[in-house]
Amino acid sequence: DAGVIQSPRHEVTEMGQEVTLRCKPISGHNSLFWYRQTMMRGLELLIYFNNNVPIDDSGMPEDRFSAKMPNASFSTLKIQPSEPRDSAVYFCASSTGGRGDTQYFGPGTRLTVL
Amino acid sequence: AQSVTQLGSHVSVSEGALVLLRCNYSSSVPPYLFWYVQYPNQGLQLLLKYTTGATLVKGINGFEAEFKKSETSFHLTKPSAHMSDAAEYFCAVSDGNEKLTFGTGTRLTIIP
Repeated sequence: DAGVIQSPRHEVTEMGQEVTLRCKPISGHNSLFWYRQTMMRGLELLIYFNNNVPIDDSGMPEDRFSAKMPNASFSTLKIQPSEPRDSAVYFCASSTGGRGDTQYFGPGTRLTVL
Repeated sequence: AQSVTQLGSHVSVSEGALVLLRCNYSSSVPPYLFWYVQYPNQGLQLLLKYTTGATLVKGINGFEAEFKKSETSFHLTKPSAHMSDAAEYFCAVSDGNEKLTFGTGTRLTIIP
Protein backbone atom coordinates (compact mmCIF):
# COMPACT_ATOMS: atom_id res chain seq x y z
CA ASP A 1 0.00 0.00 0.00
CA ALA A 2 1.19 3.50 -0.71
CA GLY A 3 2.05 5.56 2.30
CA VAL A 4 1.51 9.28 2.69
CA ILE A 5 2.42 11.02 -0.54
CA GLN A 6 3.80 14.55 -0.64
CA SER A 7 4.67 16.74 -3.56
CA PRO A 8 6.90 18.31 -4.53
CA ARG A 9 9.82 16.73 -2.67
CA HIS A 10 11.92 19.84 -3.16
CA GLU A 11 10.86 23.41 -3.83
CA VAL A 12 13.09 26.39 -4.38
CA THR A 13 11.41 29.75 -4.75
CA GLU A 14 12.09 33.42 -4.37
CA MET A 15 10.86 35.60 -1.59
CA GLY A 16 7.39 36.91 -2.22
CA GLN A 17 6.26 34.00 -4.37
CA GLU A 18 3.32 31.75 -3.54
CA VAL A 19 4.16 28.18 -2.57
CA THR A 20 1.73 25.28 -2.47
CA LEU A 21 2.58 21.99 -0.84
CA ARG A 22 0.43 18.94 -1.44
CA CYS A 23 -0.41 15.83 0.54
CA LYS A 24 -2.32 12.65 -0.11
CA PRO A 25 -3.03 10.75 3.13
CA ILE A 26 -3.29 7.01 3.48
CA SER A 27 -6.65 5.77 2.26
CA GLY A 28 -9.08 5.29 5.13
CA HIS A 29 -7.30 7.62 7.51
CA ASN A 30 -9.49 10.28 9.04
CA SER A 31 -6.91 12.67 10.49
CA LEU A 32 -4.26 14.68 8.70
CA PHE A 33 -1.44 16.70 10.23
CA TRP A 34 0.95 19.31 8.82
CA TYR A 35 4.31 19.74 10.57
CA ARG A 36 7.31 21.97 9.99
CA GLN A 37 10.85 20.91 10.90
CA THR A 38 13.76 23.31 11.31
CA MET A 39 17.07 23.10 13.11
CA MET A 40 16.15 26.01 15.35
CA ARG A 41 12.59 25.08 16.32
CA GLY A 42 12.52 21.33 15.83
CA LEU A 43 9.28 19.65 14.80
CA GLU A 44 6.21 21.85 15.10
CA LEU A 45 2.58 20.97 14.48
CA LEU A 46 1.03 23.61 12.23
CA ILE A 47 -2.52 22.37 11.82
CA TYR A 48 -4.53 19.19 11.87
CA PHE A 49 -7.78 18.05 10.31
CA ASN A 50 -10.26 15.40 11.29
CA ASN A 51 -12.77 14.25 8.68
CA ASN A 52 -11.62 17.15 6.48
CA VAL A 53 -12.43 19.75 9.15
CA PRO A 54 -9.63 21.86 10.69
CA ILE A 55 -9.53 21.04 14.38
CA ASP A 56 -6.54 22.99 15.63
CA ASP A 57 -4.63 25.62 13.68
CA SER A 58 -2.94 27.23 16.65
CA GLY A 59 0.46 26.34 15.26
CA MET A 60 0.03 28.20 12.00
CA PRO A 61 2.65 30.93 12.25
CA GLU A 62 0.74 33.78 10.66
CA ASP A 63 -1.82 34.75 8.06
CA ARG A 64 0.60 34.03 5.25
CA PHE A 65 -0.01 30.33 5.91
CA SER A 66 -3.24 28.60 5.00
CA ALA A 67 -4.28 24.95 4.74
CA LYS A 68 -7.21 23.23 3.14
CA MET A 69 -8.57 19.73 2.92
CA PRO A 70 -11.26 19.71 0.23
CA ASN A 71 -11.74 15.94 0.45
CA ALA A 72 -10.50 12.89 2.31
CA SER A 73 -7.69 12.21 -0.11
CA PHE A 74 -6.06 15.60 -0.57
CA SER A 75 -4.73 18.53 1.42
CA THR A 76 -2.70 21.63 0.61
CA LEU A 77 -0.55 23.97 2.63
CA LYS A 78 -0.08 27.35 1.02
CA ILE A 79 2.35 30.12 1.88
CA GLN A 80 1.68 33.51 0.32
CA PRO A 81 3.90 35.49 0.21
CA SER A 82 6.85 33.29 1.10
CA GLU A 83 9.80 34.57 3.14
CA PRO A 84 13.31 33.17 3.69
CA ARG A 85 12.42 32.25 7.27
CA ASP A 86 9.83 29.81 5.90
CA SER A 87 12.65 27.60 4.64
CA ALA A 88 12.16 24.23 6.32
CA VAL A 89 11.07 20.67 5.73
CA TYR A 90 7.29 20.34 5.78
CA PHE A 91 5.81 16.98 6.69
CA CYS A 92 2.33 15.67 6.25
CA ALA A 93 1.12 12.79 8.43
CA SER A 94 -2.12 10.86 8.66
CA SER A 95 -3.77 8.55 11.17
CA THR A 96 -7.02 6.71 11.65
CA GLY A 97 -7.95 9.34 14.21
CA GLY A 98 -8.07 9.22 17.98
CA ARG A 99 -5.69 9.56 20.84
CA GLY A 100 -2.88 7.07 20.74
CA ASP A 101 -3.22 6.26 17.07
CA THR A 102 0.01 6.04 15.12
CA GLN A 103 0.74 8.95 12.83
CA TYR A 104 2.24 7.91 9.50
CA PHE A 105 4.56 10.50 8.02
CA GLY A 106 5.22 11.35 4.42
CA PRO A 107 8.74 11.88 3.08
CA GLY A 108 8.48 15.65 3.44
CA THR A 109 8.90 18.66 1.18
CA ARG A 110 12.14 20.59 1.55
CA LEU A 111 11.33 24.25 0.92
CA THR A 112 14.01 26.81 0.25
CA VAL A 113 13.00 30.46 -0.05
CA LEU A 114 15.73 32.66 -1.48
CA ALA B 1 0.50 21.96 29.02
CA GLN B 2 2.46 18.94 27.94
CA SER B 3 6.17 18.94 27.19
CA VAL B 4 8.98 16.53 26.41
CA THR B 5 12.65 16.80 27.32
CA GLN B 6 15.26 14.69 25.60
CA LEU B 7 18.58 14.78 27.39
CA GLY B 8 21.48 14.79 24.99
CA SER B 9 21.05 16.10 21.49
CA HIS B 10 23.86 13.80 20.34
CA VAL B 11 24.69 10.33 21.61
CA SER B 12 27.49 8.11 20.33
CA VAL B 13 27.83 4.43 21.14
CA SER B 14 30.05 1.67 19.84
CA GLU B 15 28.63 -1.05 17.67
CA GLY B 16 27.39 -3.82 19.95
CA ALA B 17 27.07 -1.54 22.99
CA LEU B 18 23.91 -0.63 24.86
CA VAL B 19 21.84 2.20 23.47
CA LEU B 20 20.08 4.44 26.00
CA LEU B 21 18.18 7.53 24.88
CA ARG B 22 16.50 9.54 27.59
CA CYS B 23 13.06 11.10 27.57
CA ASN B 24 11.20 12.89 30.33
CA TYR B 25 7.74 14.33 29.97
CA SER B 26 5.26 16.52 31.75
CA SER B 27 1.56 15.99 31.37
CA SER B 28 -1.58 17.02 33.21
CA VAL B 29 -3.29 13.69 32.51
CA PRO B 30 -2.07 10.11 32.10
CA PRO B 31 0.12 10.38 29.04
CA TYR B 32 0.38 8.40 25.88
CA LEU B 33 4.06 8.22 24.90
CA PHE B 34 5.78 7.56 21.61
CA TRP B 35 9.23 7.09 20.13
CA TYR B 36 9.75 7.86 16.46
CA VAL B 37 12.89 7.43 14.35
CA GLN B 38 13.95 9.58 11.42
CA TYR B 39 16.54 8.38 8.92
CA PRO B 40 18.27 10.97 6.73
CA ASN B 41 15.98 12.62 4.20
CA GLN B 42 12.98 10.61 5.33
CA GLY B 43 9.85 11.15 7.37
CA LEU B 44 9.37 9.92 10.90
CA GLN B 45 8.54 6.29 11.57
CA LEU B 46 7.01 4.88 14.75
CA LEU B 47 9.34 2.73 16.83
CA LEU B 48 6.98 2.01 19.71
CA LYS B 49 4.28 3.54 21.86
CA TYR B 50 2.76 3.29 25.31
CA THR B 51 -0.93 3.91 25.80
CA THR B 52 -2.17 1.73 28.65
CA GLY B 53 -1.31 -1.63 30.20
CA ALA B 54 2.17 -3.09 30.41
CA THR B 55 4.72 -0.40 31.14
CA LEU B 56 7.53 -2.15 29.24
CA VAL B 57 6.87 -1.71 25.56
CA LYS B 58 8.70 -3.50 22.78
CA GLY B 59 9.05 -2.00 19.35
CA ILE B 60 10.64 -2.61 16.01
CA ASN B 61 14.33 -3.25 15.38
CA GLY B 62 14.94 -4.57 18.91
CA PHE B 63 14.12 -1.34 20.72
CA GLU B 64 12.11 -1.15 23.91
CA ALA B 65 11.05 1.53 26.38
CA GLU B 66 9.69 1.54 29.89
CA PHE B 67 7.08 3.96 31.19
CA LYS B 68 7.95 5.04 34.72
CA LYS B 69 5.24 7.26 36.13
CA SER B 70 7.12 8.09 39.34
CA GLU B 71 10.06 9.37 37.31
CA THR B 72 7.95 10.84 34.46
CA SER B 73 10.29 9.04 32.08
CA PHE B 74 10.08 6.93 28.96
CA HIS B 75 13.67 6.04 28.10
CA LEU B 76 14.48 4.09 24.93
CA THR B 77 16.94 1.19 25.03
CA LYS B 78 18.46 -1.42 22.79
CA PRO B 79 20.88 -4.04 24.13
CA SER B 80 23.25 -4.08 21.18
CA ALA B 81 23.67 -1.24 18.70
CA HIS B 82 23.90 -1.87 14.97
CA MET B 83 25.30 0.48 12.38
CA SER B 84 21.82 0.69 10.86
CA ASP B 85 20.53 2.30 14.09
CA ALA B 86 22.25 5.57 13.24
CA ALA B 87 19.40 8.08 12.94
CA GLU B 88 17.57 10.79 14.85
CA TYR B 89 15.15 9.71 17.54
CA PHE B 90 12.17 11.69 18.79
CA CYS B 91 10.13 11.19 21.92
CA ALA B 92 6.56 12.51 21.87
CA VAL B 93 3.63 12.83 24.25
CA SER B 94 -0.11 13.03 23.81
CA ASP B 95 -2.04 14.05 26.85
CA GLY B 96 -5.63 14.21 25.80
CA ASN B 97 -6.19 14.24 22.10
CA GLU B 98 -4.58 13.39 18.79
CA LYS B 99 -1.96 16.10 18.99
CA LEU B 100 1.62 15.06 19.64
CA THR B 101 4.23 17.24 21.29
CA PHE B 102 7.70 16.21 20.18
CA GLY B 103 11.01 16.55 21.94
CA THR B 104 13.94 18.19 20.22
CA GLY B 105 15.41 14.89 19.12
CA THR B 106 18.58 12.90 19.80
CA ARG B 107 20.99 12.11 17.02
CA LEU B 108 22.46 8.63 17.51
CA THR B 109 25.85 7.87 16.01
CA ILE B 110 27.23 4.34 15.96
CA ILE B 111 31.00 3.95 16.16
CA PRO B 112 32.36 0.94 14.23
